[in-house]
Amino acid sequence: DAGVIQSPRHEVTEMGQEVTLRCKPISGHDYLFWYRQTMMRGLELLIYFNNNVPIDDSGMPEDRFSAKMPNASFSTLKIQPSEPRDSAVYFCASSLGGHGTYEQYFGPGTRLTVT
Amino acid sequence: AQSVTQLDSQVPVFEEAPVELRCNYSSSVSVYLFWYVQYPNQGLQLLLKYLSGSTLVESINGFEAEFNKSQTSFHLRKPSVHISDTAEYFCAVSELGQGAQKLVFGQGTRLTINP
Repeated sequence: DAGVIQSPRHEVTEMGQEVTLRCKPISGHDYLFWYRQTMMRGLELLIYFNNNVPIDDSGMPEDRFSAKMPNASFSTLKIQPSEPRDSAVYFCASSLGGHGTYEQYFGPGTRLTVT
Repeated sequence: AQSVTQLDSQVPVFEEAPVELRCNYSSSVSVYLFWYVQYPNQGLQLLLKYLSGSTLVESINGFEAEFNKSQTSFHLRKPSVHISDTAEYFCAVSELGQGAQKLVFGQGTRLTINP
């Protein structure tokens, strides 16, 4: 398996622009997580899905952030409008529930820079 | 809600020396505990985990961690480190039950190995 795939790997955009980050989880995994990593705040869980349904979005910073999972093999995280404080590395992770392993597999991340 | 404290943000050690990375957690219910490792410019990878049973758990590359319920700790140790262990290490906790898939991470400890 190719692992969790994220695109793009790097994104540079100007303040006010819309940004869309993409994630393809490992085939067969039924949980998908979006995290944000910054020096100041560390690794924060933004939202997670189970079987394409959002379960907990309490970590989403504000209404400018939205996430969707239209099917089991694709998810997006959108920021509209973007702000410089959104600059961070965004990770997607997936896991297989029901087997009691609880291991999350992380993608390589998208480094977002908002100028 | 659960929380994790990693007491050291940076730990420098010499090659072949022992190391301990400290992790304490807070939770009102039973927990699962994890250590993840992040190499430069990569996503996180699971190093080891405690779910139940023996309180001492080991990884394939020589790390071990011991779950101490009374001290609410899950410290990571290795008797002899290598240059290749240079990375950032994250302790994480999840609470048993419906939200067991949701991880809360510590701030991370940057392990630097000097020759």
